[in-house]
Amino acid sequence: EVQLLESGGALVQPGGSLRLSCVASGFPFSSYAMSWVRQTPGHGLEWVSATSASGQTTYYADSVKGRFTISRDNSKNTLYLQMNSLRADDTAIYFCAKDFEGWLVVVFDYWGQGSLVTVSS
Amino acid sequence: HSALTQPASVSGSPGQSITISCTGTSSDVGGNHHVCWYQQHPGKAPKLMIYDVSNRPSGVSNRFSGSKSGNTASLTISGLQAEDEADYYCSAYTSTTTGVFGTGTKVTVL
Repeated sequence: EVQLLESGGALVQPGGSLRLSCVASGFPFSSYAMSWVRQTPGHGLEWVSATSASGQTTYYADSVKGRFTISRDNSKNTLYLQMNSLRADDTAIYFCAKDFEGWLVVVFDYWGQGSLVTVSS
Repeated sequence: HSALTQPASVSGSPGQSITISCTGTSSDVGGNHHVCWYQQHPGKAPKLMIYDVSNRPSGVSNRFSGSKSGNTASLTISGLQAEDEADYYCSAYTSTTTGVFGTGTKVTVL
């Protein structure tokens, strides 16, 4: 059974930093691209960032480019999202999602349950 | 890339068919076959219902079908059931190697 378990969400002040983690199981983690997708409470989904299966290629939405860094440790089956210079509009539930291929195609067949990040003073 | 445009809400009676549209541009929906549809119940993670325009993952009811014409994709739910009441989102791969989601549609079963 495929499982994705996010952690690391918290309340953080504007300008602060936070690192999210997503531990994967039930599939060959190192064979698939992975993404982070966020959802503002009561609002829609926004694709945030992705990494290829090997981790050598990364992709970012314009809204987080230069502030967020995605990475993965295939030996630990874990995906990360380092978030710096956080702003109030980064407040959201952050989902990790498995892609269909080893590179980004934006076809997410499995999702975690999400981790809440709140940016507020 | 701006969010793909979906109707805010669609409703239908049990047994009826409804169709949700998803309008983008030639740089996303119209530019490749990686167009998907997701179902999301309150408090839950999204669930993939349609991928690559018209393919159903294993386990998804054949009451769900997808299509695309130009820059607009569509999701049709046939034989509407109470359990289909949820939010639905489309998504697409873009020409700038990013992802984009639709604005979301709330489906109500009357």
